[in-house]
Amino acid sequence: DAGVIQSPRHEVTEMGQEVTLRCKPISGHDYLFWYRQTMMRGLELLIYFNNNVPIDDSGMPEDRFSAKMPNASFSTLKIQPSEPRDSAVYFCASRRGRDNSPLHFGNGTRLTVT
Amino acid sequence: RKEVEQDPGPFNVPEGATVAFNCTYSNSASQSFFWYRQDCRKEPKLLMSVYSSGNEDGRFTAQLNRASQYISLLIRDSKLSDSATYLCVVIGGSQGNLIFGKGTKLSVKP
Repeated sequence: DAGVIQSPRHEVTEMGQEVTLRCKPISGHDYLFWYRQTMMRGLELLIYFNNNVPIDDSGMPEDRFSAKMPNASFSTLKIQPSEPRDSAVYFCASRRGRDNSPLHFGNGTRLTVT
Repeated sequence: RKEVEQDPGPFNVPEGATVAFNCTYSNSASQSFFWYRQDCRKEPKLLMSVYSSGNEDGRFTAQLNRASQYISLLIRDSKLSDSATYLCVVIGGSQGNLIFGKGTKLSVKP
């Protein structure tokens, strides 16, 4: 099992640029989550999908953020335009929504916006 | 009251000590509970699930108290390698409603 795969591991970009983060969940997992983590705010849920359908996006900061899940094996989180305050570690996680299954995290994408 | 609350610490303990963390939750309909461990600059990793009857994994013991709405994690004979942040996770009324605590930082000293 390859686990949750995220890319890129690190992203450094200038303010105003578009950023796209990618995630491949574990095969068979029907829930996918995007989180953001900073020292100040801890781990924040941005959005989650169930069977590729967005269920709760109330954590998405503003219209500059968008997420898609075109199929069961791929999701993207896009920031356009990026701002320095978006600098954080972005985690993707997936789980099977039954059997008391835990959440499995990817390695994260460390985003720095200058 | 916050949905899931943890003492942020830090807990500074000597090697070999026993240390316990608590995590309180507000939603009485919460179904599933977990403890995660996060090392600096790494992703959170599952440490153990928490079962109603309590469960043990080596030096680690997890317990659930539904009446008082808290879960606990006990670490016995702590090692230097136990130094990390410990996050409790509660699944609320739906399978997508995972709530993380802000974590408790543990530092084990020689």
